Amino acid sequence: TQLLEQSPQFLSIQEGENLTVYCNSSSVFSSLQWYRQEPGEGPVLLVTVVTGGEVKKLKRLTFQFGDARKDSSLHITAAQPGDTGLYLCAGESAGGTSYGKLTFGQGTILTVHP
Amino acid sequence: DAGITQSPRYKITETGRQVTLMCHQTWSHSYMFWYRQDLGHGLRLIYYSAAADITDKGEVPDGYVVSRSKTENFPLTLESATRSQTSVYFCASTPTGIYGYTFGSGTRLTVV
Repeated sequence: TQLLEQSPQFLSIQEGENLTVYCNSSSVFSSLQWYRQEPGEGPVLLVTVVTGGEVKKLKRLTFQFGDARKDSSLHITAAQPGDTGLYLCAGESAGGTSYGKLTFGQGTILTVHP
Repeated sequence: DAGITQSPRYKITETGRQVTLMCHQTWSHSYMFWYRQDLGHGLRLIYYSAAADITDKGEVPDGYVVSRSKTENFPLTLESATRSQTSVYFCASTPTGIYGYTFGSGTRLTVV
């Protein structure tokens, strides 16, 4: 069973601060995705990274896929209260018959205070 | 409307009863999934399907049954509900994993 360890589990910061969320595994993934979930709703896809070392930017969010495709990070610059939510990383296994299955990390609950 | 729809949004049932949660998607995505989300456990895969009439177990399948006679529908049945099945259930679909999942809004199930 592939595991994705996400850290930190909780993050409480002030508006304007920067933060980084980490997603680590001992397994190689063919792709890694980040989702954001708000209370009462399903997760929503933010980004997919596919190539080792890949960096993608989405406004104030920067996503990086590790060179070995075993880890990823999400960096938010100048966090805003609207960034508050649960952030989930998810990896699609490399090799074999994955059937499109994703393994999810436990999530990071981010609270940004005004 | 295009999208993925789950019903009901909320359900309270008694222990031992059979409950079916519905999931419908309008894109004809091949892959569909059922997850449960619990505090401290994140999202855990219950069952998944690669196409109509092709289903397989995920991480926590015990006590659940699925079927997929049509590409667009993927119902999840709790054969005899237990309190440990109290959870929020999410259905998701994707054309293939790399494109990311689209999730439904979830069904909050309480077993009393």
